[in-house]
Amino acid sequence: AQSVTQPDIHITVSEGASLELRCNYSYGATPYLFWYVQSPGQGLQLLLKYFSGDTLVQGIKGFEAEFKRSQSSFNLRKPSVHWSDAAEYFCAVGRYSSASKIIFGSGTRLSIRP
Amino acid sequence: EAGVTQFPSHSVIEKGQTVTLRCDPISGHDNLYWYRRVMGKEIKFLLHFVKESKQDESGMPNNRFLAERTGGTYSTLKVQPAELEDSGVYFCASSQDREGLYYGYTFGSGTRLTVV
Repeated sequence: AQSVTQPDIHITVSEGASLELRCNYSYGATPYLFWYVQSPGQGLQLLLKYFSGDTLVQGIKGFEAEFKRSQSSFNLRKPSVHWSDAAEYFCAVGRYSSASKIIFGSGTRLSIRP
Repeated sequence: EAGVTQFPSHSVIEKGQTVTLRCDPISGHDNLYWYRRVMGKEIKFLLHFVKESKQDESGMPNNRFLAERTGGTYSTLKVQPAELEDSGVYFCASSQDREGLYYGYTFGSGTRLTVV
């Protein structure tokens, strides 16, 4: 069965510190991978996506993610977090099929320590 | 470009009542999706419209849920009668491409439904 696992429910980091949010997927064929962010009171916003090619992808707001096929992972990183990065982050995966849809993980809530 | 609009933003209803959620996708987006998040769990797929046709409704929980998309524009999701376990945040999203994989989805802010 297809699945997305985000093992960390809640992470707290200090402002200016580096960040890595973990995501593992189980999807068989080559997946399409996404990271979305939801700030309080907002809808989900697409941070970045991976289809093929360079396994390190850059997104908005200074985020990047690295696709590692051997580990079935697509971890999200940021070198230095800002207080405005406090939000909930969702990893998602999809693939082309007759009934394509994107499957989401359960999310990681990020808090920023001043 | 206007985004995806959902209303109401919040709804509190009693068990057994009916509630209708509405979603206005981005103009020109043929693909419209409904998702639901219950109590901090994963965001789960409910169904997918291509224009006015239901492409995939495999995620609809049961026949108390009815989704429509008249004329391929806005969509409604009706819950009748509502049960306590229907509480959660209902998200609508639209996309330019059929699978939503190339461009990703654009989400609305969601409707928080509380059934008491």
